[in-house]
Amino acid sequence: GIQVEQSPPDLILQEGANSTLRCNFSDSVNNLQWFHQNPWGQLINLFYIPSGTKQNGRLSATTVATERYSLLYISSSQTTDSGVYFCAAPGAGSYQLTFGKGTKLSVIP
Amino acid sequence: SAVISQKPSRDICQRGTSLTIQCQVDSQVTMMFWYRQQPGQSLTLIATANQGSEATYESGFVIDKFPISRPNLTFSTLTVSNMSPEDSSIYLCSAGGLAGYNEQFFGPGTRLTVL
Repeated sequence: GIQVEQSPPDLILQEGANSTLRCNFSDSVNNLQWFHQNPWGQLINLFYIPSGTKQNGRLSATTVATERYSLLYISSSQTTDSGVYFCAAPGAGSYQLTFGKGTKLSVIP
Repeated sequence: SAVISQKPSRDICQRGTSLTIQCQVDSQVTMMFWYRQQPGQSLTLIATANQGSEATYESGFVIDKFPISRPNLTFSTLTVSNMSPEDSSIYLCSAGGLAGYNEQFFGPGTRLTVL
């Protein structure tokens, strides 16, 4: 099946700093999603981005499907951005998501 | 988007017992799935809940341990049977296929502790 790899595994930022999270996937995809899992365990949809670039406030994402990677940008980070960020994609011809291991982000005041 | 609710939100259970988790979606969806998240780990797919037929299980998960029902397009249940402490995890359901899109939305999860 598809392999999904995320980097870095851990990231500590000072409030106000910017960051880039990366997601590499091993196969072509028709769906790529970014999620934020908050400290209470809730998984929040950030982006549905099989290709191209999207922006939502301080967050933006870019997926380059031909090169099999996606990037999540967080600008002007806030303490509420802390948590684990997951990317997930389905294997070829399927709908079931395979998750990366996540990036644990800690934003300190 | 879809709004998904799960019951219970958390439970503490004794070894050897079973727990049934309910998942309700506010829209008719094509796809429903069940995932497990062990402590400190990522999410792993347990099975695809098929409406009106047997669920499709991923490698390492079996129907006797995780029976699943999906009687209609908006509701599914997952039972964790004959529980052991190793079953302590967060169990999440997801739904997708709204308006022809593959995007999946997740419920808030059920935090299970087995003593």
